[in-house]
Amino acid sequence: DTEVTQTPKHLVMGMTNKKSLKCEQHMGHRAMYWYKQKAKKPPELMFVYSYEKLSINESVPSRFSPECPNSSLLNLHLHALQPEDSALYLCASSQLTTQETQYFGPGTRLLVL
Amino acid sequence: SQQGEEDPQALSIQEGENATMNCSYKTSINNLQWYRQNSGRGLVHLILIRSNEREKHSGRLRVTLDTSKKSSSLLITASRAADTASYFCATDWGGAQKLVFGQGTRLTINP
Repeated sequence: DTEVTQTPKHLVMGMTNKKSLKCEQHMGHRAMYWYKQKAKKPPELMFVYSYEKLSINESVPSRFSPECPNSSLLNLHLHALQPEDSALYLCASSQLTTQETQYFGPGTRLLVL
Repeated sequence: SQQGEEDPQALSIQEGENATMNCSYKTSINNLQWYRQNSGRGLVHLILIRSNEREKHSGRLRVTLDTSKKSSSLLITASRAADTASYFCATDWGGAQKLVFGQGTRLTINP
């Protein structure tokens, strides 16, 4: 199974809401990633987890809070977002380093009103 | 700042023709990867080429890497309408766990 799943596919939220994005993989990968992608732009790395521990935080605002409950799951908790946070949020997983392929989920399209 | 610069930014060709996309980068790398993204969807890995490799093939795809010029190219032969997508190169210049993507080439195959 080489699939990374993400839920929900679409999310509309107000600036005062709290929501969570979920990502799951069953490939035994020990690295998981969150990316943000704006329209017609490349993905930008937000967070990296290695062995369920946060290893990279690309100076992401604290209104984004990642969580890795176990080796298969990755969450991104959202709170007090701004309209400019509207984007496609992509989850990916890989063997531990960028020496290997990253497998991407289909993404969650987020709209902040 | 983005590591990879791709050209062209957009490419439109007829079905059956070959499509070539180029990627340039600035610093030393261990590997370079190419990904495809259909509109609004996740990225699909195409090919990974390591710094000690010069050329790699996968089906209709051919990737070259010239580390002296810090550039790579992706050739898609005998293009099909289903190849319509954005194509991104990605390098590991940011460190062991950090892929940095180029700006991408939007490829349109006209039937």
